[in-house]
Amino acid sequence: RKEVEQDPGPFNVPEGATVAFNCTYSNSASQSFFWYRQDCRKEPKLLMSVYSSGNEDGRFTAQLNRASQYISLLIRDSKLSDSATYLCVLDPGTYKYIFGTGTRLKVLA
Amino acid sequence: DTAVSQTPKYLVTQMGNDKSIKCEQNLGHDTMYWYKQDSKKFLKIMFSYNNKELIINETVPNRFSPKSPDKAHLNLHINSLELGDSAVYFCASSPTGQGWRNTEAFFGQGTRLTVV
Repeated sequence: RKEVEQDPGPFNVPEGATVAFNCTYSNSASQSFFWYRQDCRKEPKLLMSVYSSGNEDGRFTAQLNRASQYISLLIRDSKLSDSATYLCVLDPGTYKYIFGTGTRLKVLA
Repeated sequence: DTAVSQTPKYLVTQMGNDKSIKCEQNLGHDTMYWYKQDSKKFLKIMFSYNNKELIINETVPNRFSPKSPDKAHLNLHINSLELGDSAVYFCASSPTGQGWRNTEAFFGQGTRLTVV
């Protein structure tokens, strides 16, 4: 079983739609969780950290469920510029960040 | 100012050659990493260093030899390049590798290596 599992997509959604991505992880000792965004032929960049109580940054909301070992990302009012691959990332505290395979999002005009 | 910079950005070379990729970070971070992103876009850890010391070597062939002359630099040397080494290699850094402060990793722009 992969340490971090994501639906690869692609998710094709119209502008203005709300879209949600999920991620499950197997390492229950993981301490820190993140969503990264990667554009085509670019490096991954932090979108947001994920906190136990859930957190929001503008149109983006992240949730963590430690009991179910599950992380989610909700994007409201999708923009064309949101088209990218979204990577679920965890840091188990062992000097490495573990990446999911990513979920591709395409926002359509 | 670029936070994590790696050179070269593109590298095309023949099988059997030896090549190096350089990485430097100006963020004052203690931990640096090399990741490989293959054709399926999966990012996999290769090495991590903390304060110039090797911490993780994730079953990488010993043709790959990282070197950290100081904590701001982590270079990657690859001997006897093979076709399967073709990938994008990302350098990254973070303040700490321990994960207890929700500290993220910052990535360089990547080096696209093509072995022909």
